Amino acid sequence: DTGVSQDPRHKITKRGQNVTFRCDPISEHNRLYWYRQTLGQGPEFLTYFQNEAQLEKSRLLSDRFSAERPKGSFSTLEIQRTEQGDSAMYLCASSSWDRVDGYTFGSGTRLTVV
Amino acid sequence: DQQVKQNSPSLSVQEGRISILNCDYTNSMFDYFLWYKKYPAEGPTFLISISSIKDKNEDGRFTVFLNKSAKHLSLHIVPSQPGDSAVYFCAAVGSQGNLIFGKGTKLSVKP
Repeated sequence: DTGVSQDPRHKITKRGQNVTFRCDPISEHNRLYWYRQTLGQGPEFLTYFQNEAQLEKSRLLSDRFSAERPKGSFSTLEIQRTEQGDSAMYLCASSSWDRVDGYTFGSGTRLTVV
Repeated sequence: DQQVKQNSPSLSVQEGRISILNCDYTNSMFDYFLWYKKYPAEGPTFLISISSIKDKNEDGRFTVFLNKSAKHLSLHIVPSQPGDSAVYFCAAVGSQGNLIFGKGTKLSVKP
């Protein structure tokens, strides 16, 4: 297993466009998390899945954001009508439900909205 | 409102010396804490953790101390090496298993 993979690594988009990111977790991990990190801040929790169920959403996840994890495998995070404030690093992490110190992060997708 | 605070944005130490990174938290319900290390263009990697039932956890050159009454934890790196230069994040585990991070401290270890 090569760890948590995120695609693309970088995305530049024009304001108002939609973007979609993909995360492939470690195969035996049943929890998958999305975080956002802006300059000078630590990662901020957005949402998480246990298997295919989305169990929690942060207030940071506006209605322009949607995440899915069909069949409990890979996950996608879509941002509709992007705004400049959406520019950030989007990090995905996976873990087993009972091993919080086994959280493994991907390398992230850097989004720039121009 | 920051529940996990790292008040030092940066720290510079000489190779071979001790690095001490500090972290404060406000929520007394937090009972598990972690330290992550992050290099540029990579995701955070887990370093060491501590449960609130302990006041110290050690792993090689890394030791984390927890003072519950002060709501304070610290990461000690001894001896510091140039490869330790990175951003270090303190995190607490939230009620949903999510991590609540501080803003990070950039450590520079000079040869």
